[in-house]
Amino acid sequence: AQRVTQPEKLLSVFKGAPVELKCNYSYSGSPELFWYVQYSRQRLQLLLRHISRESIKGFTADLNKGETSFHLKKPFAQEEDSAMYYCALSGTDKLIFGTGTRLQVFP
Amino acid sequence: SAVISQKPSRDICQRGTSLTIQCQVDSQVTMMFWYRQQPGQSLTLIATANQGSEATYESGFVIDKFPISRPNLTFSTLTVSNMSPEDSSIYLCSVGTGGNTIYFGEGSWLTVV
Repeated sequence: AQRVTQPEKLLSVFKGAPVELKCNYSYSGSPELFWYVQYSRQRLQLLLRHISRESIKGFTADLNKGETSFHLKKPFAQEEDSAMYYCALSGTDKLIFGTGTRLQVFP
Repeated sequence: SAVISQKPSRDICQRGTSLTIQCQVDSQVTMMFWYRQQPGQSLTLIATANQGSEATYESGFVIDKFPISRPNLTFSTLTVSNMSPEDSSIYLCSVGTGGNTIYFGEGSWLTVV
């Protein structure tokens, strides 16, 4: 079964601290994984996708097939990073979302 | 990317009534989806809107409750029928433009009283 697990509902850090939002997945084939972000009162938007291997707004995420994980990382959190972050898996032409992690970055 | 417009953006409805949400995309897209995001919860896929044929519904969602139309490659509607307070949610239209990347509309915030 396809499943995405984000174990943390809330992650609170101070500005400048490193951040890691955890995501684990379950999928029998070769998945595509994404991170979506939803800032307050804004639409859900794509942050990054694993096949691009890019860094967006200082965030990176590496797909670890052995651990079936796709954790989102940023070395130095900023206040403007405060938002809801959703990990998503694309299997057969549809996206399955995790339950989301709210990141709070305090000044 | 695609620009997605949803109407209404927000509404308050009486229980027992029905509401139709419209989704317009600025370009032709192959895939259109409808998601629901209940308060404090993640996004749940309701159905895939298929152009020219019946929508494909996910487990727990049925056509009688959530009829969907997709008359062309740029437009779809979702109707929430016979609403109850449990239907209070954000309903999101999303589209796939190829390469498995999905884009979302701003959502329609529905409150049933």
